[in-house]
This record gives sequence, C-alpha cells and structure tokens, in this order.
Amino acid sequence: DVKVTQSSRYLVKRTGEKVFLECVQDMDHENMFWYRQDPGLGLRLIYFSYDVKMKEKGDIPEGYSVSREKKERFSLILESASTNQTSMYLCASSLWTQGYNSPLHFGNGTRLTVT
Amino acid sequence: GQNIDQPTEMTATEGAIVQINCTYQTSGFNGLFWYQQHAGEAPTFLSYNVLDGLEEKGRFSSFLSRSKGYSYLLLKELQMKDSASYLCAVVDSNYQLIWGAGTKLIIKP
Repeated sequence: DVKVTQSSRYLVKRTGEKVFLECVQDMDHENMFWYRQDPGLGLRLIYFSYDVKMKEKGDIPEGYSVSREKKERFSLILESASTNQTSMYLCASSLWTQGYNSPLHFGNGTRLTVT
Repeated sequence: GQNIDQPTEMTATEGAIVQINCTYQTSGFNGLFWYQQHAGEAPTFLSYNVLDGLEEKGRFSSFLSRSKGYSYLLLKELQMKDSASYLCAVVDSNYQLIWGAGTKLIIKP
C-alpha cells in the first residue's frame, strides 16, 4: 500500500518566516506534486516534479519553491510566509505510466496558519 | 478557460441512492477521475473513466459521456461512512489535472 507522509499535520508560522513542508513517499513513484486546498476552490497545483532534481511550475507557483534531491522526497518552501498562504497543503505522488493516467496518492495534508 | 462544475452540497438518506454530477469544459480530454475525501483526511482514488459508459465497482459506479462533457458518480445503499466530499478531476490535452471544487455529501439516518 502506497504511503505518502507529510511531516506535519498542523503548523503555525509568523509572517515573513521561511517555511519548509516535507513529503516522503515509499513506493518509488516518479511523479510528485504539491497542491493547496481552500474552501470553495478546487485543488490548485503549486509545483510538480517528474524526476529527481526536476521541477515544473503549476498554476500558482508565486511565493513558493520546491526541492527534489531524492526520488522519495519532495519539499515545498515558502520563502517568506504571508497570511494569504494560510491553507491546507497536500502532497501527492503517482507512477509515470505511458498512455495511462495513474491515480494520485495523497498525504494527509499540512494545515498551515500564517499569523 | 477550463471549468469543472459540481454541486457544492448534497444530502441523502442512509440506504438510498445518490448521483453526484460533474460537467466539464476543458482544452481536450484524456480521462476523468473521482476521489473521495473525508473531513480532515487525504483524498483517495475511487474511479477513472476514459471511454464513454458506466464503470461499476461495488456500491460505486461512475459514468462518462465525452460528447456531453458530463460524468456522474452513483452511490448505492448509502452508509453513514459515505459522508465525505467527492472530487471530480479531468485530465486535459496537456495531461494536467483540472479539479472541481468538490461536492460535500451529507448522509442522514
């Protein structure tokens, strides 16, 4: 069974702080994703990665960066946290399978509050 | 622009049947997913449709009509544990996922 683990369930940070959200998956998946989830909105993609050291911007990358130094780990970095980054952050992974869309496996999320 | 529409909230009775609709307007189509998300938990995969028709998986079925840009998730013999949000997501021509805002399903005894 695929396990995607996010390092924290709840985080409270102050405006201007640098914030690290960590995500680890244990099924050797090539693809990893960071989403944010806000009430009334669909999941919005921040960044994704198809391979080690590779990253691609999603729909809302501003104010965020990512790091993928190892295949199993994908980190999301908020360079200078702001109150509008208060949200639920979801990490996901999937297999790369040519010609087929593999389902995403999600972590339990990190609820970040920026005060 | 790309758009996925789902009802915001639905209420149904334990033991009954409920149909959750999803309509989409996207740049291309390469498949549609349904996920279930209980409050405070991760979304989990329910179904995937890429061809027209009905896919049945136990109490849950998913239907797709590509010509109408329409899908539904059918839940039979509803149980209290089915209370959750149901997320529809479409894979567009660039193989990117476009997500609906989700439908919160409330089951009453």
